[in-house]
Amino acid sequence: QVQLQESGPGLVKPSETLSLTCTVSGDSINNYYWSWLRQPPGKGLEWIGYIYYSGTTNYNPSLKSRVTISVDTSKNQFSLKLSSVTAADTAVYYCARLVSGVGYFDYWGQGTLVTVSS
Amino acid sequence: EIVLTQSPGTLSLSPGERATLSCRASQSISSSYLAWYQQKRGQAPRLLIYGASSRATGIPDRFSGSGSGTDFTLTISRLEPEDFAVYYCQQYGSSPKYTFGQGTKLEIK
Repeated sequence: QVQLQESGPGLVKPSETLSLTCTVSGDSINNYYWSWLRQPPGKGLEWIGYIYYSGTTNYNPSLKSRVTISVDTSKNQFSLKLSSVTAADTAVYYCARLVSGVGYFDYWGQGTLVTVSS
Repeated sequence: EIVLTQSPGTLSLSPGERATLSCRASQSISSSYLAWYQQKRGQAPRLLIYGASSRATGIPDRFSGSGSGTDFTLTISRLEPEDFAVYYCQQYGSSPKYTFGQGTKLEIK
């Protein structure tokens, strides 16, 4: 059974960079696509971007200028960096496995709340 | 960008009743690229349906999906107490590649 676990600071100051890591267990990170998504409190889901184990990435155009997703296959982890954050970036951040070609998310982490506040 | 509009926003039903949730796309999408998720309070979304009509592993057969083009439906044949949650549809498209509907809240009447 594939399991994903997000980790990182729960509080980030405005204008700083949000950094999260997702650790994958139960399967190798190789040969799959991995994504970050977020959900502001009380609102819907937004896709942030994905990375293939080889390092190929694709980002949501609305966030592309501020997002970097990277992968560390030796640790079975992938990471998210979101720069110049504002209060609008306050959300629960999820990592998920993406089934490529048909584009759905079959395994999800439990999510981690990141609050942007001074 | 393909916009997904879900209706109704809130659906109030009783256990044992049938639930019909709608997802309408702003332009035609392949049925292969339409999925449904269930999200309970404080939990991550759970994949229910992919390819518009295929149930994910472990999903009970009271959940079914249908539709094509711009109109898709999630049906729950007989509601169980654990089915009351928020449901999202999601599509795989061009840019941005993945978008979600705003959700339908299924609440106990």
